[in-house]
Amino acid sequence: DIQMTQSPSSVSASVGDRVTITCRASQGIASWLVWYQQKPGEAPNLLIYAASRLQSGVPSRFSGSGSGTDFTLTINSLQPEDLATYYCQQTNTFPLTFGGGTKVEIK
Amino acid sequence: EVQLVESGGGLVQPGGSLRLSCAASGFTFSSYWMTWVRQAPGKGLEWVANIKQEGNEKYYVASVKGRFTISRDNAKNLLYLEMDSLRPEDTALYYCARDPSEWGSNFFDYWGQGILVTVSS
Repeated sequence: DIQMTQSPSSVSASVGDRVTITCRASQGIASWLVWYQQKPGEAPNLLIYAASRLQSGVPSRFSGSGSGTDFTLTINSLQPEDLATYYCQQTNTFPLTFGGGTKVEIK
Repeated sequence: EVQLVESGGGLVQPGGSLRLSCAASGFTFSSYWMTWVRQAPGKGLEWVANIKQEGNEKYYVASVKGRFTISRDNAKNLLYLEMDSLRPEDTALYYCARDPSEWGSNFFDYWGQGILVTVSS
């Protein structure tokens, strides 16, 4: 199975800050990676697919990059509504696997 | 508007069975791969199973293989998860979700609100 490792597990930042979350795959997955946002008490919401493509309706302050084994989700100018846990998921191979999540808190 | 509504959850004893349903609306259900993803209380997301449009191709995570069965009824726009030999570690919120591409992209653009399954004596 492909293991997905996210870091950090939590981050606290101020409104307007840039936040970067990393995700590492245990083997190469090309660009077969997506990012979700899960707000408290809600279902996950797709943010980024194919490592860097923004899902329709997602604010442009969210961006993704990377390929192979190392990936990044960046939130430019953090907003209060970005309080959530963020998950990466590899879409390359069954079983599909998620990272452990990164909780973003607002200072 | 795409809607996915899960039902059938509840409290069940270890070794018991439960069948989850997911009612889909707002899109052509028979044209999409569908999936179940679960989340144990306070934990992360875990993919459980996928099913192709016609129901003739299915994939499972190892921990549920042989105990869970994913199926669908395209005439009724329903997705199912039959869960047998349930264990306490199956306790979770179970989400059904839609794969956005016809060929199976293995990610999910619409999710239900989830249904809680608790396995406890």
